[in-house]
Amino acid sequence: GENVEQHPSTLSVQEGDSAVIKCTYSDSASNYFPWYKQELGKRPQLIIDIRSNVGEKKDQRIAVTLNKTAKHFSLHITETQPEDSAVYFCAASKNEKLTFGTGTRLTIIP
Amino acid sequence: NAGVMQNPRHLVRRRGQEARLRCSPMKGHSHVYWYRQLPEEGLKFMVYLQKENIIDESGMPKERFSAEFPKEGPSILRIQQVVRGDSAAYFCASSPMGQGASGYTFGSGTRLTVV
Repeated sequence: GENVEQHPSTLSVQEGDSAVIKCTYSDSASNYFPWYKQELGKRPQLIIDIRSNVGEKKDQRIAVTLNKTAKHFSLHITETQPEDSAVYFCAASKNEKLTFGTGTRLTIIP
Repeated sequence: NAGVMQNPRHLVRRRGQEARLRCSPMKGHSHVYWYRQLPEEGLKFMVYLQKENIIDESGMPKERFSAEFPKEGPSILRIQQVVRGDSAAYFCASSPMGQGASGYTFGSGTRLTVV
């Protein structure tokens, strides 16, 4: 089955700086790669996603890049703000179910 | 649209009791998925259901766990004879037909504590 690895597990960034989280996947048939933000005690919230026929996607301060050959994808958050502090999960899917990474706890230092 | 509704939000059970977790999908969504999140971990797929059918239960433990999505009413995740290791957050997602994972909407989850 699919295996998703995520790094780093924790990340501290000065407010205003950029944050990058990286994930790799194992199943070359996976074709959908979402990123979720989860605040303490809350549900995962989709913040951006990308499909395998696209290399990059951007939404305001958030961007995702995908390298199908290397089987890795990354989340980039620019101009970080205190409200970006949360746990971020990458995931991969080729059909109905998602395989999640282990999460990155992002802390924005004011 | 009320979104995906899960109840209860918090559930405390003693070891050996049964836990029943409910999930009502979004209006118009015919597919339901259950995920489990252990503390400090990512979500793990458990089961995928359509009305009256279990489509994929590859993530369900072989014993004590069962799921259903009846013709009428919510989807139910049932855990019999709970143990401390069952303590986790259980999230349900629903999706419209044909969209799979890209159509997911997650519920707020049920936090199960086994004492």
